[in-house]
Amino acid sequence: NAGVTQTPKFRILKIGQSMTLQCTQDMNHNYMYWYRQDPGMGLKLIYYSVGAGITDKGEVPNGYNVSRSTTEDFPLRLELAAPSQTSVYFCASSSERALTDTQYFGPGTRLTVL
Amino acid sequence: KNQVEQSPQSLIILEGKNCTLQCNYTVSPFSNLRWYKQDTGRGPVSLTIMTFSENTKSNGRYTATLDADTKQSSLHITASQLSDSASYICVVSATGNTGKLIFGQGTTLQVKP
Repeated sequence: NAGVTQTPKFRILKIGQSMTLQCTQDMNHNYMYWYRQDPGMGLKLIYYSVGAGITDKGEVPNGYNVSRSTTEDFPLRLELAAPSQTSVYFCASSSERALTDTQYFGPGTRLTVL
Repeated sequence: KNQVEQSPQSLIILEGKNCTLQCNYTVSPFSNLRWYKQDTGRGPVSLTIMTFSENTKSNGRYTATLDADTKQSSLHITASQLSDSASYICVVSATGNTGKLIFGQGTTLQVKP
């Protein structure tokens, strides 16, 4: 099993550009999550999904969108990139709710917006 | 306000020595507490998960303790190795209608030869 994979690893965007961060898991997990990690801060939940076709907002959803058309994939879309979105983005998955079950994290995408 | 505070912010120890990392939380209602290890440039990896009724849990050279009365947890690393150099993150789960995971900011550990 590859676990949770993310692409790209690094990306530099100009203000106002858009991009999609890709996330795929091969563990047949129902639950998937997107977090951002800013320097010296704890991870913050952006969006999560409890299954294909179902998504919901986390703590910091503004400026982002998600979709979940399959169990395996959970892409994160940035429509109008802003410098405040410079961060490291982690995708995670779990078989049950993260509150009670282990989350498996991808390697992260480091995004810089200039 | 639900918060998780970790100390120290960073720590340097010599290979072979032991160390203890601290986590204080003000999360209610409490569900469980977990410790993650995050290597530089990688995603966090789970070390332990403890529920309210568990006082201690081990994973190899890592031992986590939980005092639910004082709302404190510690992660003890025994006989440190160079590969233990990483950030260690304490995460507390709040249950109920506002159930969520609250992440600490992490303790960066550097093990020197």
